[in-house]
Amino acid sequence: AQSVTQPDIHITVSEGASLELRCNYSYGATPYLFWYVQSPGQGLQLLLKYFSGDTLVQGIKGFEAEFKRSQSSFNLRKPSVHWSDAAEYFCAASGGSYIPTFGRGTSLIVHP
Amino acid sequence: DVKVTQSSRYLVKRTGEKVFLECVQDMDHENMFWYRQDPGLGLRLIYFSYDVKMKEKGDIPEGYSVSREKKERFSLILESASTNQTSMYLCASSFARETDQPQHFGDGTRLSIL
Repeated sequence: AQSVTQPDIHITVSEGASLELRCNYSYGATPYLFWYVQSPGQGLQLLLKYFSGDTLVQGIKGFEAEFKRSQSSFNLRKPSVHWSDAAEYFCAASGGSYIPTFGRGTSLIVHP
Repeated sequence: DVKVTQSSRYLVKRTGEKVFLECVQDMDHENMFWYRQDPGLGLRLIYFSYDVKMKEKGDIPEGYSVSREKKERFSLILESASTNQTSMYLCASSFARETDQPQHFGDGTRLSIL
């Protein structure tokens, strides 16, 4: 069965520190991959997406993600976190269907 | 830029009431979706639609129905609201039936059933 796993329910970082959020997928073939962010009280906003080609993808708000086929991973990174990055982050994948599979989300807490 | 608008940000209803949640998108997207979001459970798909008057059940359709009479509008209906339907409801849309298209989300409706 297709699945997306975000192993960390919560991540706490200090402002200015680097960030990596993990995402693993299980699909028959390489799916299309997405990261979304949900600020408190709002809907999900697309950060970035991977379809093919360069395995390092740049997104909005200074985020990037790296696709690693050998590890079935698509981890989200940011070199220096700002307090406004505190939010819920969702990894999603689609392949063979236009209905994506979402991970359960990782809540990012930023300490001043 | 795509705009998905949900008619209410907050809604309080009573048990047994029939509840309508409305969603409108302005980008001529074929696909529309309704999710509910609960802490620790992520997003769960209730219903989706890939065309006018077409609808498909998602993972948790029990207690819900939907209506799509116009391409831009997708309504979620709670036939007889119950307290376990208290949740955040998110509407989304996407272009065509291509798997590489991201979803665009509304800001959500936080529904409380008393």
